Amino acid sequence: AQSVTQPDIHITVSEGASLELRCNYSYGATPYLFWYVQSPGQGLQLLLKYFSGDTLVQGIKGFEAEFKRSQSSFNLRKPSVHWSDAAEYFCAVVKGEYGNKLVFGAGTILRVKS
Amino acid sequence: DTEVTQTPKHLVMGMTNKKSLKCEQHMGHRAMYWYKQKAKKPPELMFVYSYEKLSINESVPSRFSPECPNSSLLNLHLHALQPEDSALYLCASSLLAGKRNIQYFGAGTRLSVL
Repeated sequence: AQSVTQPDIHITVSEGASLELRCNYSYGATPYLFWYVQSPGQGLQLLLKYFSGDTLVQGIKGFEAEFKRSQSSFNLRKPSVHWSDAAEYFCAVVKGEYGNKLVFGAGTILRVKS
Repeated sequence: DTEVTQTPKHLVMGMTNKKSLKCEQHMGHRAMYWYKQKAKKPPELMFVYSYEKLSINESVPSRFSPECPNSSLLNLHLHALQPEDSALYLCASSLLAGKRNIQYFGAGTRLSVL
């Protein structure tokens, strides 16, 4: 069954440092993958998506992610973190016979220290 | 414009009350979703509507009753809830239901059941 795993519950980085959040997927075929961000008490905002094609995808707010089939991974990266990036990040995969279910990983809380 | 509007933002209700959550979008999307997010957990799918018809019910208790009166509006009627139903309820919409359709989320309604 399609699922995603985010192995890091919390990550703390210094402002200006680079960031990588890990996401591993479980799916036989090419998965449809997303990264969303959620600020405290807010809804989810889409950062980027991967459906097919170029394995390096660019998103909003300077984020990018790389799809690596050999490692079953879709890690999110940012070269220089800003304090406003502190939030919870969810990796998600489409699931279901008709692809109309979105299943989320457990989330990674990002803390940014100044 | 990718806005999904949810009202109210906060709701406190007793276990014998009847209340409704409302979700609205004017993007011409024909798929709408309800998710439940408990504290420190990822969102979990509850219902999917496609072309105003209920297409997925993830075995949600009958005290939650969804309604899609038109293509722009989605309601969630609540009755005889339990304290464990306290959560953030998120609405989302996408152009269509299916793998390549991006779900856009509202800010959510934070529900407290006393």
